[in-house]
Amino acid sequence: DTAVSQTPKYLVTQMGNDKSIKCEQNLGHDTMYWYKQDSKKFLKIMFSYNNKELIINETVPNRFSPKSPDKAHLNLHINSLELGDSAVYFCASSQDVGLAYEQYFGPGTRLTVT
Amino acid sequence: AQSVSQHNHHVILSEAASLELGCNYSYGGTVNLFWYVQYPGQHLQLLLKYFSGDPLVKGIKGFEAEFIKSKFSFNLRKPSVQWSDTAEYFCAASSSYNQGGKLIFGQGTELSVKP
Repeated sequence: DTAVSQTPKYLVTQMGNDKSIKCEQNLGHDTMYWYKQDSKKFLKIMFSYNNKELIINETVPNRFSPKSPDKAHLNLHINSLELGDSAVYFCASSQDVGLAYEQYFGPGTRLTVT
Repeated sequence: AQSVSQHNHHVILSEAASLELGCNYSYGGTVNLFWYVQYPGQHLQLLLKYFSGDPLVKGIKGFEAEFIKSKFSFNLRKPSVQWSDTAEYFCAASSSYNQGGKLIFGQGTELSVKP
């Protein structure tokens, strides 16, 4: 049973295209996150949703738009893809918002923009 | 600014050697600390966490870490590494000052264990 799943695992696309990455968690958690891991493996949070409400929005270009149709899903849509968007994107979830809850990570989606 | 720093970028050890990976944080307020491991091509897995109480925390696979508040440190240790410990290790922190339990990650330390 996969706790946090992401699709697709790999995504290769050209500059200027629009793409989406999907994330689902079956842990019954209320909070979900998107992280970006760059080529140097540095991880940085992008967004966080709690009960479908956006609570963290880091300084991410507005080409990135998260959508949470329900508590179990958090999708990431990226418009007008750029070379610098190439990275591994990790989805994560936690039981609730706040520092007391550990986060569980998905397998990652490796996005390559050519 | 709140930050987490890991001292070593790449550590190379032989099997059975002891391991210590450094992690320092600069945070105000109540802080929770984590070590995550990322095996090649895999997702992040939690090794251990410190929330409160005993500053020496034990995690999975024989790892432990010690929270030293006066030094703002949370170093990861293992007495005897195995080849299977080859992975990227990330220290992370969340603070009561952070919105929404946001995790701040260190730069990561790549551990290579030679058989």
